[in-house]
Amino acid sequence: KAGVTQTPRYLIKTRGQQVTLSCSPISGHRSVSWYQQTPGQGLQFLFEYFSETQRNKGNFPGRFSGRQFSNSRSEMNVSTLELGDSALYLCASSPVGGTNEKLFFGSGTQLSVL
Amino acid sequence: TQLLEQSPQFLSIQEGENLTVYCNSSSVFSSLQWYRQEPGEGPVLLVTVVTGGEVKKLKRLTFQFGDARKDSSLHITAAQPGDTGLYLCAGGRADGLTFGKGTHLIIQP
Repeated sequence: KAGVTQTPRYLIKTRGQQVTLSCSPISGHRSVSWYQQTPGQGLQFLFEYFSETQRNKGNFPGRFSGRQFSNSRSEMNVSTLELGDSALYLCASSPVGGTNEKLFFGSGTQLSVL
Repeated sequence: TQLLEQSPQFLSIQEGENLTVYCNSSSVFSSLQWYRQEPGEGPVLLVTVVTGGEVKKLKRLTFQFGDARKDSSLHITAAQPGDTGLYLCAGGRADGLTFGKGTHLIIQP
């Protein structure tokens, strides 16, 4: 079974631009979660999608948004990039979601904002 | 304020030594998961503990969930260089999983 695939692997943008990151979950997994990882704050939850609906949302500004398609693939978008958005963005999938369920993470997208 | 505090933040020891890392909170969790993350990769789940007082063993790794389900520990016996990585604990609540900042572990040959 293929794992969680995130593209692109690395991304360099400048302040004010927008960016779209992509995540393909493990086949059959319907829940996709997004996390931001920085050295200072660790892993912080952005949002979770299940069956094309946002089911849970973390404490991030509205510049961070996401969506999920009917094939469970997900995208997240960050508009008006700021220097502080530089981070590793991780996507995780699981069969149905839920707090006790095992998360399968992708390798992440490393975003650098200059 | 971090909901889950992990300690120590950094730990560097020699191969063959034993170590314990901790994950503490003032909140009660329905479950506690431990992940290991290697450079350039996403976290990989090691174990999930659900019952207060539960102990799980994974080869040389022993995980314990506190009786009150607020804290957990990970003990590694005879550490090996392959154990090097970032160890993350994550607590499960109704609003999802909350991660600690992790313990950076380096095992020197």
